[in-house]
Amino acid sequence: EIVLTQSPATLSLSPGERATLSCRASQSVTRSLAWYQQKPGQAPRLLIYDASKRATGIPARFTGSGSGTDFTLTISSLEPEDFAVYYCQQRNNWPPRITFGPGTKVHFK
Amino acid sequence: EVQLVQSGAEVKKPGATVKISCKVSGYNFNDYYLHWVRQAPGKGLEWMGLLDPEDDERVYADDFQGRVTIAADTSRDTAYMEVSRLRSEDTAVYYCARVPRTQYYFDYWGQGTLVTVSS
Repeated sequence: EIVLTQSPATLSLSPGERATLSCRASQSVTRSLAWYQQKPGQAPRLLIYDASKRATGIPARFTGSGSGTDFTLTISSLEPEDFAVYYCQQRNNWPPRITFGPGTKVHFK
Repeated sequence: EVQLVQSGAEVKKPGATVKISCKVSGYNFNDYYLHWVRQAPGKGLEWMGLLDPEDDERVYADDFQGRVTIAADTSRDTAYMEVSRLRSEDTAVYYCARVPRTQYYFDYWGQGTLVTVSS
């Protein structure tokens, strides 16, 4: 089973700053990795899929990159609404299993 | 507009069974996999299993095999998840979410259903 680790666990930043979040897979997932944003009391929202493709309606300040085992989500300039928890996710092809990373919380400095 | 609307919050005693529904609209129910994910208070996301409404195939995460049942009523565009032998550790928000065929990512989610297990 592929395990995802995320770093850092928490990120203290101010609006306007750049956020760099990391997700590492225990073995290659090629580019089949997604990122989600979750705010308190809300369901997760898809931000990025296939490592770098933005989902519908996602602002250009969100950028995904990486392949194989190392992936990055970058928020170029934090807006107040971006303070949230971010999860990465992938799927084992067989047996079919979905796994999530433990999350990175981006909060106000 | 795509929507996944889940049933309301539940309070159950240990050992009981809970059944949550997820009614979809705005798309063809059979064209997407329907997954269930849960989140314990203050914790991360945990995948539970999936259903293919087209052929009723189900796949369960190892941790839930034998205790969780996923089903669908295609005539009502509704999926269900039943968790039996509840324990306090099952207290969580349960989400349904859809995945496009041939893909792996969740593009739409239900609003979540809080299940509280307490004696």
